[in-house]
Amino acid sequence: QSVLTQPPSVSGAPGQRVTISCTGSSSNIGTGYDVHWYQQLPETAPKLLIYGNSNRPSGVPDRFSGSKSGTSASLAITGLQAEDEADYYCQSYDRSLSGSVFGGGTKLTVL
Amino acid sequence: QVQLQQWGAGLLKPSETLSLTCAVYGGSFSGDYWNWIRQPPGKGLEWIGEISHSGNTNYNPSLKSRVTISMDTSKNHFSLKLSSLTSADTAVYYCARGPDVNVDTWFDPWGQGTLVTVSS
Repeated sequence: QSVLTQPPSVSGAPGQRVTISCTGSSSNIGTGYDVHWYQQLPETAPKLLIYGNSNRPSGVPDRFSGSKSGTSASLAITGLQAEDEADYYCQSYDRSLSGSVFGGGTKLTVL
Repeated sequence: QVQLQQWGAGLLKPSETLSLTCAVYGGSFSGDYWNWIRQPPGKGLEWIGEISHSGNTNYNPSLKSRVTISMDTSKNHFSLKLSSLTSADTAVYYCARGPDVNVDTWFDPWGQGTLVTVSS
């Protein structure tokens, strides 16, 4: 059971927009801690996609965006492409655990 | 830019101790946090712990009694030891940098990952 809750899977057709939610609690996201997102392609290490709730590292397309409100955060992907098919993870800090925590991951399927 | 390369034994027996090392290229330890994260086959990511540039450590409470993270600044390496292994410790282990921004920092970059299998 992950501290942050994500839907196990989402799907969309090429060109469409999808969102992935990440729900936490007053012990983590709700306290004001930042949320970060990672993309993991098959058989590869996770790659930073969004940091500090809504910031994109250099090289990440602006089709990817992040937001945070209350005890939840969201990752939005617009203009879906086949290469976006991957697992996506959210991450934050939990004050009760005094450490980083991850969501369980969401598998994105491009139909 | 910083790159991480990791290595260590991939097949261990129950009760043995896992030992992995991560080398930092293109940068130094100063100003950042150095982390270990693992991913059991087909499952999600679990943060194991971190060591700061000054040598302070912080571990996941669920693993704290079995984990030791250390660093060798002369070699730009940091290491993970996990003792009393069971099959539940079978996972891909990653090292990763956490920029020293705040406690809620992110992880970037990541090492390539090392599959550690615990089996008799």
